[in-house]
Amino acid sequence: GDSVTQMEGPVTLSEEAFLTINCTYTATGYPSLFWYVQYPGEGLQLLLKATKADDKGSNKGFEATYRKETTSFHLEKGSVQVSDSAVYFCALRTSGYSTLTFGKGTMLLVSP
Amino acid sequence: DAGVIQSPRHEVTEMGQEVTLRCKPISGHNSLFWYRQTMMRGLELLIYFNNNVPIDDSGMPEDRFSAKMPNASFSTLKIQPSEPRDSAVYFCASTMEGSGAQHFGDGTRLSIL
Repeated sequence: GDSVTQMEGPVTLSEEAFLTINCTYTATGYPSLFWYVQYPGEGLQLLLKATKADDKGSNKGFEATYRKETTSFHLEKGSVQVSDSAVYFCALRTSGYSTLTFGKGTMLLVSP
Repeated sequence: DAGVIQSPRHEVTEMGQEVTLRCKPISGHNSLFWYRQTMMRGLELLIYFNNNVPIDDSGMPEDRFSAKMPNASFSTLKIQPSEPRDSAVYFCASTMEGSGAQHFGDGTRLSIL
């Protein structure tokens, strides 16, 4: 079945550091890929998405590129802020279905 | 635009009691999802409705859990009788079928004593 594997956290960075959170997937067909962010006490919010190979999703300084050859969708940001501290979830959706398969989430902690 | 609205935000009750969680999806969305989030298991899909019809309830843990969607603007998740191991944050999400991105509510934090 479909699955998503994320790097384990927490990831601890200083403000303005470069961020990478790794995500790899296994899926049948050609999935759409998503990154969601969850701030403390809140629900998950869509951060960015990509629907086909080589697409780059971007939002709020975060980017991720759909790499079919490596089945990866790594999240990057050039300069993190304290306000980026949250849990980040990678997810996929197989074509034709609305259900999402989520990774376990990666906690990011950014210190001033 | 109003997002997905869940109630209550917090619920504390004693084991054996009936618990009802409520969700109002975004207007116009035709798919609705109930999730449970715990530290041990992470985010688990419990049940998925499309056009008010349950499509996949394979994630519902046991018969104590039931979910309904009587119309396009309302859904409930009921636990009867509740047990301490049901303590978790329960999320509702909705989407327009085929659009991909689900929109989540802020969740109900449930504590069963």
